[in-house]
Amino acid sequence: GDSVTQMEGPVTLSEEAFLTINCTYTATGYPSLFWYVQYPGEGLQLLLKATKADDKGSNKGFEATYRKETTSFHLEKGSVQVSDSAVYFCALSSPGGTSYGKLTFGQGTILTVHP
Amino acid sequence: DTAVSQTPKYLVTQMGNDKSIKCEQNLGHDTMYWYKQDSKKFLKIMFSYNNKELIINETVPNRFSPKSPDKAHLNLHINSLELGDSAVYFCASSQWGPQETQYFGPGTRLLVL
Repeated sequence: GDSVTQMEGPVTLSEEAFLTINCTYTATGYPSLFWYVQYPGEGLQLLLKATKADDKGSNKGFEATYRKETTSFHLEKGSVQVSDSAVYFCALSSPGGTSYGKLTFGQGTILTVHP
Repeated sequence: DTAVSQTPKYLVTQMGNDKSIKCEQNLGHDTMYWYKQDSKKFLKIMFSYNNKELIINETVPNRFSPKSPDKAHLNLHINSLELGDSAVYFCASSQWGPQETQYFGPGTRLLVL
């Protein structure tokens, strides 16, 4: 079945540091890929997405590129802020079959940014 | 204007009780979902509905029964609650299709004592 693997956390950085959170996936067909963010006590909200190979999603300074050859969708940001502290989830959406539209999530990465 | 709302936000109850969680979306979407987030933050889909029709039913105990009275509502009823049901339950909605963004509610934190 489909699966998503994220780098283990938690990740602790100083403000203005560079961020990378690795994400790899296993899926049949051509899934869409997402990064969702969960701030403390809140629901998930979409950070960015990519729906086909080589697409780059970007939002709020975050970027991720859909790499079919390495089955990866790594999240990057050049300079993190304290307000980026949250849990980040990589996810894929199944393109067909009985799981059509189902989001499969990675285990989440807790990011803490210190001033 | 809240896009996806859930009630209640917190639910504390005894083992063996029956409880319901309600979800409503005002985004005009035709697909709604229930996800469960465990204590380690892991998220897993439970159900999805499209136009009031059940599409995805993961391996969830029969004690969980979703009900969609219309496209804007998806409720979750849980019978005979168990300790292991303690989790945060998220409702989400989207347009139909795997490329569509899912919009999540604020979650319902359920604690079974």
